Amino acid sequence: SQQGEEDPQALSIQEGENATMNCSYKTSINNLQWYRQNSGRGLVHLILIRSNEREKHSGRLRVTLDTSKKSSSLLITASRAADTASYFCATDGYKLSFGAGTTVTVRA
Amino acid sequence: DTAVSQTPKYLVTQMGNDKSIKCEQNLGHDTMYWYKQDSKKFLKIMFSYNNKELIINETVPNRFSPKSPDKAHLNLHINSLELGDSAVYFCASSPSGRETQYFGPGTRLLVL
Repeated sequence: SQQGEEDPQALSIQEGENATMNCSYKTSINNLQWYRQNSGRGLVHLILIRSNEREKHSGRLRVTLDTSKKSSSLLITASRAADTASYFCATDGYKLSFGAGTTVTVRA
Repeated sequence: DTAVSQTPKYLVTQMGNDKSIKCEQNLGHDTMYWYKQDSKKFLKIMFSYNNKELIINETVPNRFSPKSPDKAHLNLHINSLELGDSAVYFCASSPSGRETQYFGPGTRLLVL
């Protein structure tokens, strides 16, 4: 079974709005990562948050981690058309476990 | 100067054929991976090599055989291709195996 599971499956927002997606996982982790996949491309690493961190920022991205609830969220602020992509969370280890992703569509 | 490259980008072939996909990374990483992404976008790990040693071998048919001639290359050979093998195959690498992974652009395999 997939370790990281994203929610919602799909999200459609207007340019300039914020997009929030969530990730749940099952077992203890050392870190959790978020990746972006543009249509027809490979995955690109966005941000890594360690288990002893609660929040991390990178540009317009904000990631939170709640290890007690085994969940993480990714917030994209002031979305742009270029943010249209699928977003995946993955938990650590030699064997990164990905979910099916959240597909985000940013409408102009 | 692509970090992780794969060839070919597209592969269309008949059932029963044998094919190979090549992957090269110029990042100096120790660990390399092969993933399969199905039509529903689920990304599943198939194999991982660390310094040319196989460290992860998921439940993959033995028609799939990875080969790592050196630390910078991890190739995937598939025998007797089946319709269900149609997917996008991604190669990735990471420095130590437990942190950020860098993905190649993918190889789109279509078995007819």
